[in-house]
Amino acid sequence: NAGVTQTPKFQVLKTGQSMTLQCAQDMNHNSMYWYRQDPGMGLRLIYYSASEGTTDKGEVPNGYNVSRLNKREFSLRLESAAPSQTSVYFCASSEPRRELTDEQFFGPGTRLTVL
Amino acid sequence: AQSVTQLDSHVSVSEGTPVLLRCNYSSSYSPSLFWYVQHPNKGLQLLLKYTSAATLVKGINGFEAEFKKSETSFHLTKPSAHMSDAAEYFCVVTRRTSGYSTLTFGKGTMLLVSP
Repeated sequence: NAGVTQTPKFQVLKTGQSMTLQCAQDMNHNSMYWYRQDPGMGLRLIYYSASEGTTDKGEVPNGYNVSRLNKREFSLRLESAAPSQTSVYFCASSEPRRELTDEQFFGPGTRLTVL
Repeated sequence: AQSVTQLDSHVSVSEGTPVLLRCNYSSSYSPSLFWYVQHPNKGLQLLLKYTSAATLVKGINGFEAEFKKSETSFHLTKPSAHMSDAAEYFCVVTRRTSGYSTLTFGKGTMLLVSP
C-alpha cells in the first residue's frame, strides 16, 4: 500500500517548456487535489477533482491544467512554464464519505524549478 | 469563506520546555480543523484533527490541541519539546461542500528546538 505517489521528485525546466506532473493513489479515494507550496505562503489549492470525471479550479489555477485520468490518477500540466511556477507541488487524496473527517493524504511532493 | 491565521511565523524553544503554536480560524460553517507537520524536504503528515467531537484533541508524538469556539482558536501544544519536533507546522480548516471538502492552510509556523 504505497498511499499517494508522485513523479517526478525533481524537475528543472526552461521558460516556455511544458511538462506533466503525475499523481496516483491506491486507497480507492474519490477526491484528489493539487497544491503548490511557496515559502511563507502555506499550501494553496491549484485544482481539485471531487470525483472521477469532474475537475474544478482552486485558489491559484492560472497557468495549469489537470486531467482526472481514472479514479487512481490525477495529473497536473504546465503548458508553458514560467519562473513564477517554481514551487513544490503536492498531490493529495481523500475519501470524504467515510468518517466525515475530511482528512487528506499527501504525496511526497515534486520540486520544480523553472529557469 | 474560511481563513486561517497562524500568529507566529517562527517559534524557538529549548528541548524539554513546553511548545505553543497559535492558530485562529474564520469559517462560516462548523469546521473541521487539522494540524499537519512537515519535516525538512518531506511531505505532510497529519498530527491531529478536530471534527466536532471532544474539544481537546490528542495527536501523535505527544501533541494536543484545544478547540475554543468562543475564541475561534485551535492552538497546538506539547508539554516537553524534543529535538525531533523541529519542523514546520500548518493549521488547516476545511470546508465541506456537497460531499467533498477543500482545505485552507495557514502560512505555517517553523518550530526551532535548541539543545
